[in-house]
Amino acid sequence: AQKVTQAQTEISVVEKEDVTLDCVYETRDTTYYLFWYKQPPSGELVFLIRRNSFDEQNEISGRYSWNFQKSTSSFNFTITASQVVDSAVYFCALSEVRTGANNLFFGTGTRLTVIP
Amino acid sequence: GAGVSQSPSNKVTEKGKDVELRCDPISGHTALYWYRQSLGQGLEFLIYFQGNSAPDKSGLPSDRFSAERTGGSVSTLTIQRTQQEDSAVYLCASSLAHTSSYEQYFGPGTRLTVT
Repeated sequence: AQKVTQAQTEISVVEKEDVTLDCVYETRDTTYYLFWYKQPPSGELVFLIRRNSFDEQNEISGRYSWNFQKSTSSFNFTITASQVVDSAVYFCALSEVRTGANNLFFGTGTRLTVIP
Repeated sequence: GAGVSQSPSNKVTEKGKDVELRCDPISGHTALYWYRQSLGQGLEFLIYFQGNSAPDKSGLPSDRFSAERTGGSVSTLTIQRTQQEDSAVYLCASSLAHTSSYEQYFGPGTRLTVT
């Protein structure tokens, strides 16, 4: 079963628009971590945020914000006032603590294109 | 400081040949991970090391795949008798320790093409 679902395969927005990338996860663990990574055209995965399952506070970092809702098993990512440099593939990932593992289960990614 | 490095950046090989992919983790990181990114399968976990030990090899796609890590640092992923379905980008990541408390830092990947 897919542990992380990113239903949006591709999104295009015009520069300065806000955009939200959806992530829905599935786990039986009570303790887990959620992540977002960015993969720009250069190919290297860049860590953006880690959130543990006990911390449902939303987080804001500059133009980026994350909305974690356990009730709906979602961890959505919003970019405010998008810029061309935000164009990339964004991956949501889950790590389950039960197995003692830190292995990341990735979603299939959302390709964001910001049009100037 | 230096990030995770991988070599080669690109590798083209003929079907049936063996290949070795190398990963140099960030200095001081005890945990090391291999992932594979392909069009059909997305990003999938292959194997991790804590120190030189690889407790979980269940992510390796077949017995043609093996990995080792020596001195708690460099790791090599070996694919024997390569097949066309092995074509993918192989990503290495490292973290301070093998717990979810630490984020993983990824290398640039090795693009493997099997002809």
